[in-house]
Amino acid sequence: EVQLLESGGGLVQPGGSLRLSCVASGFTFSSYVMSWVRQAPGKGLEGVSAISSSGDHTYYSDSVKGRFTISRDNSRNTLYLQMNSLRGEDTAVYYCAQGVRFGELLVWGQGSLVTVSS
Amino acid sequence: DIQLTQSPSFLSASVGDRVTITCRASQGIGIYLAWYQQSPGKAPKLLIYTASTLQSGVPSRFSGSGSGTEFTLTISSLQPEDFATYYCQQLDSHPKTFGQGTKVEIK
Repeated sequence: EVQLLESGGGLVQPGGSLRLSCVASGFTFSSYVMSWVRQAPGKGLEGVSAISSSGDHTYYSDSVKGRFTISRDNSRNTLYLQMNSLRGEDTAVYYCAQGVRFGELLVWGQGSLVTVSS
Repeated sequence: DIQLTQSPSFLSASVGDRVTITCRASQGIGIYLAWYQQSPGKAPKLLIYTASTLQSGVPSRFSGSGSGTEFTLTISSLQPEDFATYYCQQLDSHPKTFGQGTKVEIK
């Protein structure tokens, strides 16, 4: 079964850091672009970051550029999102997702809640 | 960045109704658009990609059309499980932005 399982979310103070992980199973992880998408409480979807299959190319939304770093370890089938200098507006459920064909997101994790608050 | 604007933002409809949602892009994106369905508390589900290609396993009552800057998602006969929020996403360039969503509620 194709599956993505996120972990690492939680409560963090403004200015703090957190690292999310996403473990993939059931498909050849190293062959796919992977993305992080977030959803603030009661709000819509926002694409946060994406990374090429090899990890050579990374992309960020303007809202997180310079603060977040996406990476992957293809030997461990794991995607990461290092989040630094966190702000209240970063509070959201963070989903990892598998990009296929033209970049549409086919497989999604269950989501990991990040709450930034003092 | 490419902006996507969905209309309406909210839609009230009955079971059996035909429903159409529009997504407009701030610049031409060819056919590089996807549609997702999200039910409360769940991750989004891919419905359609490249504007009109139905993802495997998605019921045929869902269809998509359009190219360039204007796209539509149509549900031909609304079913109880279709009451959810729908998002478009452009696949043309990074960042691959989403529309703001259209919530479909029961009338």
